[in-house]
Parts: sequence; C-alpha cells; structure tokens
Amino acid sequence: EPEVTQTPSHQVTQMGQEVILRCVPISNHLYFYWYRQILGQKVEFLVSFYNNEISEKSEIFDDQFSVERPDGSNFTLKIRSTKLEDSAMYFCASGHRTSGDTDTQYFGPGTRLTVL
Amino acid sequence: LAKTTQPISMDSYEGQEVNITCSHNNIATNDYITWYQQFPSQGPRFIIQGYKTKVTNEVASLFIPADRKSSTLSLPRVSLSDTAVYYCLVGDMGTGGFKTIFGAGTRLFVKA
Repeated sequence: EPEVTQTPSHQVTQMGQEVILRCVPISNHLYFYWYRQILGQKVEFLVSFYNNEISEKSEIFDDQFSVERPDGSNFTLKIRSTKLEDSAMYFCASGHRTSGDTDTQYFGPGTRLTVL
Repeated sequence: LAKTTQPISMDSYEGQEVNITCSHNNIATNDYITWYQQFPSQGPRFIIQGYKTKVTNEVASLFIPADRKSSTLSLPRVSLSDTAVYYCLVGDMGTGGFKTIFGAGTRLFVKA
C-alpha cells in the first residue's frame, strides 16, 4: 500500500537556524498538507497546497514558514529562523478528492523537530 | 468550518463495542464527516468518512442521523490495540484544499 514518507525522523537544531523538513507524498495525490503537533497537544493545521500554490494557511504559518514542491515528488516545509516554540512533531499529509466534495488525507510518520 | 464536540475520554474493555459520538450543530450542506485515529508518536490515520445515513468499512461504522448535527463512530469488538485518540472532523474541500481543523479528540482506553 502506498504511503507518505518523511525525512528526517528527528531533527535537532539551534534556535535561529533554518530547517527543511521533507516529505514524499503518495504519487497520484494532488493535495498536500503540513500539520504540527506539540507534545501532548492537538494536531494543528499549518498549510494546504494544491496546483503549485498555497490554498489555505493558518495563523501559525507566518513569514517564517514556506512550502515548496521542487520536483514531482517532494514537498518541503522550511522554517527560516527556528524558535524554541517550533519544537513539535511535524506531519505531512497528502490527499485526493473523494467522490464527494471532500478528501481523504494520508499522513506520514512525522518529523520530530527539537529546537535548542 | 463547523465546530465539533466530542467526549474527552472513554474507557472500554476488550471485546466490547465502542460508540463515540461527535456533535456538529453548525454542519453545512457541503460538509462531510471524517474520523481519524492517532496512536502516540504517529500521524493520524483515516478511519471512515460519510455524508449521511450509515457507512461501514472493514474497521468501523459511521452513523449519521437525518439532521446531520451529530455522528457516531462505532468500533465493533475493540482490542487493546484500539487504544488511541479518535478525531471527528467536519468540512469540505473549499477551492483547492481542505483546511482541516482537529479538535482535542476522544482518548479511548481499552482495558483487558
């Protein structure tokens, strides 16, 4: 069964550094998402991406964040200058439109980001 | 996006049927109802999705009454491995993506 993959599984970085989290979505999916989950808290939507552009973003997704689909397979999340509060698990998801006006999203295993 | 309300936690025993109800009083005409399951340190996993009446797949059933203001996820004969957080989500695709808002979810504890 196809699955979403993410690398690295764990990233440790110093405050102020840039990080790039990578995701390989399921190949025939057209909708891509990033979420984060701070330890012990709920899953938070960051951004959705469709047709090579951001379609929705949350208030968390400020100018420090950017997403890119540099080629036909990868989907990346960049955090320009990490803060301590960016420490969280980051999940990538990809989805396809279902028969109705909604989608089914498939999540990757996550990247645990630790900012020191 | 319609707000959802679920119980914070539920306990059950192995072999029992578990029903988790979600309230979504402000559900819109185009909204679908989707349930996800999340184990610790893993990404959410799609369980089931429906628009109205009843949907059943190999792992669960979803019951949606005619007014669609609530829905019930039914897990038949749970096992210890069904201990997880279960999220109810309501929404539609919008113009090009699904702004998926997760609530706090329901923590299900299955005991031996």
